[in-house]
Amino acid sequence: KQEVTQIPAALSVPEGENLVLNCSFTDSAIYNLQWFRQDPGKGLTSLLLIQSSQREQTSGRLNASLDKSSGRSTLYIAASQPGDSATYLCAVCSGSRLTFGEGTQLTVNP
Amino acid sequence: GAVVSQHPSWVICKSGTSVKIECRSLDFQATTMFWYRQFPKQSLMLMATSNEGSKATYEQGVEKDKFLINHASLTLSTLTVTSAHPEDSSFYICSAEARGQGADTQYFGPGTRLTVL
Repeated sequence: KQEVTQIPAALSVPEGENLVLNCSFTDSAIYNLQWFRQDPGKGLTSLLLIQSSQREQTSGRLNASLDKSSGRSTLYIAASQPGDSATYLCAVCSGSRLTFGEGTQLTVNP
Repeated sequence: GAVVSQHPSWVICKSGTSVKIECRSLDFQATTMFWYRQFPKQSLMLMATSNEGSKATYEQGVEKDKFLINHASLTLSTLTVTSAHPEDSSFYICSAEARGQGADTQYFGPGTRLTVL
């Protein structure tokens, strides 16, 4: 059974800092890995999707990497802003099923 | 882009009543829809997978008689929480998989907040 773990559970940083969120998974037989953003009481916004054959994806200030063999992914956020405050979820796709981590709650202080 | 809507966005009901939540794919056909539940400060947990025209597949520990899922068309799936109790209070999110695309193309709805008094 796939298990997804995210570290840290919560993170508070001052505006402008670069930061890294971590995600690990137990079964490396995945199709892809996806990072989502969730604002309080809201649904999910897809940020980046990395196929199993890829090593990283970039979108603006976000960069996600994938090391499938070691079961790890990182989400790098450059020059963080207060608007980046949200919960970031990592999800691994195996077959037709997404398994989510518990998320990292990020607070960027002005 | 692909849009998935949910209705209602929030609902408050008395214990013992049944609540129906709709999930619609607005601009694409969804052969498969997924229902997730999210408790406060926790992640999304898959409840069931529904395929159009067939019975839903429930995850272990999810009561199929309590959470009735109907996927009667390629654009609509419904989740009915029967005889809801306070412990059913949660955030319910659906996602839809577009026809012809792989499992990676799940589009998520905005969620429905259910509060059972």
